Amino acid sequence: GAVVSQHPSRVICKSGTSVKIECRSLDFQATTMFWYRQFPKQSLMLMATSNEGSKATYEQGVEKDKFLINHASLTLSTLTVTSAHPEDSSFYICSARRGQGFYEQYFGPGTRLTVT
Amino acid sequence: QKEVEQNSGPLSVPEGAIASLNCTYSDRGSQSFFWYRQYSGKSPELIMFIYSNGDKEDGRFTAQLNKASQYVSLLIRDSQPSDSATYLCADDDKIIFGKGTRLHILP
Repeated sequence: GAVVSQHPSRVICKSGTSVKIECRSLDFQATTMFWYRQFPKQSLMLMATSNEGSKATYEQGVEKDKFLINHASLTLSTLTVTSAHPEDSSFYICSARRGQGFYEQYFGPGTRLTVT
Repeated sequence: QKEVEQNSGPLSVPEGAIASLNCTYSDRGSQSFFWYRQYSGKSPELIMFIYSNGDKEDGRFTAQLNKASQYVSLLIRDSQPSDSATYLCADDDKIIFGKGTRLHILP
């Protein structure tokens, strides 16, 4: 399958600081990437859809000013958690869509964020 | 609101038996479906996708899609302990996930 990377894999930050998470599709171009969040023992929750060259589309209840998404190229999308709080501690996972028409979606390995 | 629903389980299956996982969906417009496997603490891994009515086989895995009844299933033959994980089905749009079914293969 296709390869999607995320960096960093783990990050610990202090409350009030900002954290940037990168998502890269390594062997294909992804016009669309998705950002998910998963709390322990819960399902993945879609946060936003990121399209290259345009503004991200956020799901209801997700603060766009707090979770800044930039899809600057066909292989890179970034999620910045601004003014992080302990309740933002979670497992953040990106995925990238490959193909046109019928497509497959591949997930990055995830980033575990801990806000102290 | 599009929904994808799964029984959260846990589903316990003896090693070597067939594990059957089911998923129902609400949007008749959904064209294709994906099955992912997620181990604890890891991100989902794509197992199979299906977009035509009927069965699709890949090794020990068989996906089944019935658009008239709006369900999709995944069969795992010769279940192995390494198959123990949470299985997620998702539709073809925003990849809205069901809550997943926890599968436990009993050695």
